[in-house]
Amino acid sequence: GAGVSQSPSNKVTEKGKDVELRCDPISGHTALYWYRQSLGQGLEFLIYFQGNSAPDKSGLPSDRFSAERTGGSVSTLTIQRTQQEDSAVYLCASQGRGTDTQYFGPGTRLTVL
Amino acid sequence: AQSVSQHNHHVILSEAASLELGCNYSYGGTVNLFWYVQYPGQHLQLLLKYFSGDPLVKGIKGFEAEFIKSKFSFNLRKPSVQWSDTAEYFCAVNAYSNDYKLSFGAGTTVTVRA
Repeated sequence: GAGVSQSPSNKVTEKGKDVELRCDPISGHTALYWYRQSLGQGLEFLIYFQGNSAPDKSGLPSDRFSAERTGGSVSTLTIQRTQQEDSAVYLCASQGRGTDTQYFGPGTRLTVL
Repeated sequence: AQSVSQHNHHVILSEAASLELGCNYSYGGTVNLFWYVQYPGQHLQLLLKYFSGDPLVKGIKGFEAEFIKSKFSFNLRKPSVQWSDTAEYFCAVNAYSNDYKLSFGAGTTVTVRA
């Protein structure tokens, strides 16, 4: 169907609050990735889901970050006790099985005050 | 760990000028290479990719890139830019032996003056 969608598009929160960011991948895509783009830096890998396999969490910067993927589709990235350095654009990408291209969503711009 | 370096942070050109953006990576094994572009207000989208075969690959909108294995480079080129090429360009690398998670360069902002 349509491309990858993410919500909200913008989120402003206060330091110490928890936030949830949502990603709806392209229908049928088995792989889902989360990346983070901080100001002036490239995209940084956070976490990867592939089908029913255990996720690759090697990019998560701290234990305040977690993500889940329900029913092999929608994914939620949760940041607990947000800090100012968490301010960034969080991008989600999905990829079809047997294909080699990731399709990116529009991102969620998170601002932690 | 892989790392990706893009040589230019910001490039300013006039229309019809030629463009070349440098990209170098550090990884000793087989790699898959990508260039992504983000136009103002739009999503990241794939410009071109290299997996194997002819090291000169052609992408959308007249862009091409050349993989030089000995130099660990994958430079992006366009012979004649247009105002609509104003965007941010990202080089990305995936280690062939791993999953498809990408390591990105910091990006190059290209501004084309009409």
